[in-house]
Amino acid sequence: EADIYQTPRYLVIGTGKKITLECSQTMGHDKMYWYQQDPGMELHLIHYSYGVNSTEKGDLSSESTVSRIRTEHFPLTLESARPSHTSQYLCASGAGTSWQFFGPGTRLTVL
Amino acid sequence: KNQVEQSPQSLIILEGKNCTLQCNYTVSPFSNLRWYKQDTGRGPVSLTIMTFSENTKSNGRYTATLDADTKQSSLHITASQLSDSASYICVVSDRGSTLGRLYFGRGTQLTVWP
Repeated sequence: EADIYQTPRYLVIGTGKKITLECSQTMGHDKMYWYQQDPGMELHLIHYSYGVNSTEKGDLSSESTVSRIRTEHFPLTLESARPSHTSQYLCASGAGTSWQFFGPGTRLTVL
Repeated sequence: KNQVEQSPQSLIILEGKNCTLQCNYTVSPFSNLRWYKQDTGRGPVSLTIMTFSENTKSNGRYTATLDADTKQSSLHITASQLSDSASYICVVSDRGSTLGRLYFGRGTQLTVWP
C-alpha cells in the first residue's frame, strides 16, 4: 500500500473560518484525488489532479479549492466554512489508470 | 448511467459464521472491480481487485467472484471475526477515461457479534 497522509484527522471549527486540509503521498504518484463522504453514503469525487499545476473539479460540486504545486502535496481549502461542509474528506493517489490508495480521511465538523 | 448497487445495506452475523455480500454494476466499458474495507472513520483499504478475465480471487478469508456477463460480483467472508466489522465497498473502474474514474457503491455495513 502507498503511504498517503492526511492532517488533521479531526477538525471542529466555527462558521466562516478558513481551513486547509492537508494531503501528502510519498509514492511519487501523478494522480491525486479528493472525495467527500457522508455517513452511510458513497464517496463522491470533488477534485482531482493529473500532476503538478493540474487541477480539475469532480462530479460533485464543491465550494472548496485545491492546488498542486508539488507532486506529493494536494491540499484542499475552504475559504469560509459552513455547517453544510460537515463531512468526511478522503484523499487518494494513484499511478495507473484506476489504482487508487486512500488516506485515513479528515472528519470535518463546522458548527 | 454508470452505477454500482450493493446489497444488503447492512448485515449482522455471529462471530465464526460466513457471509456473502453482493454487488451489481452497470459501468461500461468495464476495466476492473475492487472490493474495499472501510473501518469507521478511516479511509478504504483494498481487499481484492479483479479484471474482466478473472472469476475468483482470494485474500485470506476474503474471496471475491466476478461474473462479467451478468455484471455481478460477490465478496464471501469465511469464519468471520470481530475485526471484520466494517463497511465493505464495491468499486468499479471504467476504461473509457485516462483519469481512472472509479464508481463507488454505498457499501454494506457488516457487524460481527461475539
